[in-house]
Amino acid sequence: GQQVMQIPQYQHVQEGEDFTTYCNSSTTLSNIQWYKQRPGGHPVFLIQLVKSGEVKKQKRLTFQFGEAKKNSSLHITATQTTDVGTYFCAGPNNNAGNMLTFGGGTRLMVKP
Amino acid sequence: GAGVSQSPSNKVTEKGKDVELRCDPISGHTALYWYRQSLGQGLEFLIYFQGNSAPDKSGLPSDRFSAERTGGSVSTLTIQRTQQEDSAVYLCASSLRARGLAGGGGTDTQYFGPGTRLTVL
Repeated sequence: GQQVMQIPQYQHVQEGEDFTTYCNSSTTLSNIQWYKQRPGGHPVFLIQLVKSGEVKKQKRLTFQFGEAKKNSSLHITATQTTDVGTYFCAGPNNNAGNMLTFGGGTRLMVKP
Repeated sequence: GAGVSQSPSNKVTEKGKDVELRCDPISGHTALYWYRQSLGQGLEFLIYFQGNSAPDKSGLPSDRFSAERTGGSVSTLTIQRTQQEDSAVYLCASSLRARGLAGGGGTDTQYFGPGTRLTVL
């Protein structure tokens, strides 16, 4: 079945360093979504990418959707302690409807 | 407006007991999802209610797990004869539509509740 994989699983960075998480799907995706889960919290939607090669920015966060629509990345410039949390990518489940298949997440830890 | 709510926020039970977890989705949202998240792990899909269609139960890990959604709104996840491995945070999410956005290639955003932390002793 469809698989969505993320690397790395964990990342420790020093505050001010950049961070990137990568998402890869076993199948072509019509779109990709990214969510952030703060420690002790619940996943919160960040963004959705739809077009091949699309790049979107939210302040220090840059999201990219691959040309083949099978991979995506999230890059954070100059990390801050507020960036701490787990970042999940999710692609539509090929079966039907609005089901999403979530990646395993990348847990980001930022040392002040 | 109000987001997705879940109750109880915490539940401690003894092995072998049954538990019921409740989810109140955002008003007007057609689709409702249940996920399970073990400590430090990703989201494990359990069940998906898609409007008036039959629910997708493909993620339920055993027949001890069941869920219903009454009147297209509130949902209850029931775990019978709980086991220690059932300990996790159970997250509920809802989205506006049961089907994807027509023509745009997009998929509806899922809005998550705060979760119920279940501990089975």
